[in-house]
Amino acid sequence: QKEVEQNSGPLSVPEGAIASLNCTYSDRVSQSFFWYRQYSGKSPELIMSIYSNGDKEDGRFTAQLNKASQYVSLLIRDSQPSDSATYLCAVKSAAGNKLTFGGGTRVLVKP
Amino acid sequence: DGGITQSPKYLFRKEGQNVTLSCEQNLNHDAMYWYRQDPGQGLRLIYYSQIVNDFQKGDIAEGYSVSREKKESFPLTVTSAQKNPTAFYLCASRRSGTSGGIETQYFGPGTRLLVL
Repeated sequence: QKEVEQNSGPLSVPEGAIASLNCTYSDRVSQSFFWYRQYSGKSPELIMSIYSNGDKEDGRFTAQLNKASQYVSLLIRDSQPSDSATYLCAVKSAAGNKLTFGGGTRVLVKP
Repeated sequence: DGGITQSPKYLFRKEGQNVTLSCEQNLNHDAMYWYRQDPGQGLRLIYYSQIVNDFQKGDIAEGYSVSREKKESFPLTVTSAQKNPTAFYLCASRRSGTSGGIETQYFGPGTRLLVL
């Protein structure tokens, strides 16, 4: 079992709809969670971080964390074609100072 | 103009050759990281360094070496022992968080390594 798992997609959503991305992790002591967006051929850029159970909103993005169920999700509201990218989930364990990344979910927003 | 720079953008390696990828940051971050990304895959940690003159192996360190002589610089050498080096190499540095302890990594633009 991979430490951090994501559906590879592609997740195809119509413009203006909500894109919902999920990420599960295996290390129960994980304490910090991150979502990065990566456009094709570019480096990842941080879009959200969360460490407490519940929801965290930033503009059109909402991160949701449920430590009991060991999953973190990302919602993209009012999806735009510019949101088409691969979204990487990253998890930081309490035991160290490194991140473990999932394989990424490719999102395609169709006009 | 602050940030993380990586050079070169593209690098070609011949069989049996060692090559070095540069990573520099002027963000005053203490920790730096090297990742490898293969097509359609996530990031895998090669090496990381939390302070000058100290570094630790990541999950796929074999065939790679690093040094951390200055806070700003963390070069990665891909040695001839790395038999499948073709990949996208990403350098990152970490800003320590304040309350709550969230520590955020920021990435450079990457170096694409190709084997001739």
